[in-house]
Amino acid sequence: DVKVTQSSRYLVKRTGEKVFLECVQDMDHENMFWYRQDPGLGLRLIYFSYDVKMKEKGDIPEGYSVSREKKERFSLILESASTNQTSMYLCASRDSGADTQYFGPGTRLTVL
Amino acid sequence: GNSVTQMEGPVTLSEEAFLTINCTYTATGYPSLFWYVQYPGEGLQLLLKATKADDKGSNKGFEATYRKETTSFHLEKGSVQVSDSAVYFCALSSNTGKLIFGQGTTLQVKP
Repeated sequence: DVKVTQSSRYLVKRTGEKVFLECVQDMDHENMFWYRQDPGLGLRLIYFSYDVKMKEKGDIPEGYSVSREKKERFSLILESASTNQTSMYLCASRDSGADTQYFGPGTRLTVL
Repeated sequence: GNSVTQMEGPVTLSEEAFLTINCTYTATGYPSLFWYVQYPGEGLQLLLKATKADDKGSNKGFEATYRKETTSFHLEKGSVQVSDSAVYFCALSSNTGKLIFGQGTTLQVKP
């Protein structure tokens, strides 16, 4: 079974802090994704990566950056957290050429 | 552009009732279509998918048929259980490989 893990289930940070959300997948997938989930808005794509050291902006990249130094790990970085970044963050991975994405359990981030 | 529209929730049903959650889409080309489910406190799990017109995806008693003529992919189950209570997301796979999600529909099943 594909396993996607996220470093924290719950996280509380203060405004202005730098925040790192980590995601690891164990299936050697080339593609990885970061989404945020908000009530009534579904999932919105923040950033994705097709390969190591490659990244592309999704629909809502403002205020975020990402890092992919190793194939199995994809990090989402909030350079200076703000209260409007309070949300559920979901990571996913996918094998290139396949159409199914596999999701991690999510990190619920609260920014005070 | 590509988009997915789901019926608004929450949907509240009694156990053993028939379920339909409507999903329609707008897309260029012939996307794959998905239903994902999110149980309380968890991430998304793939429930079923269909990759071409008239395909029927099925899993755990749920079914959805890819209807190109009506651009729909409605989710159905003949007899829901309390354990089916969750948020259901309809999605399509764009030609760039990204998933486009609907806003999600919350289903609550009462005993």
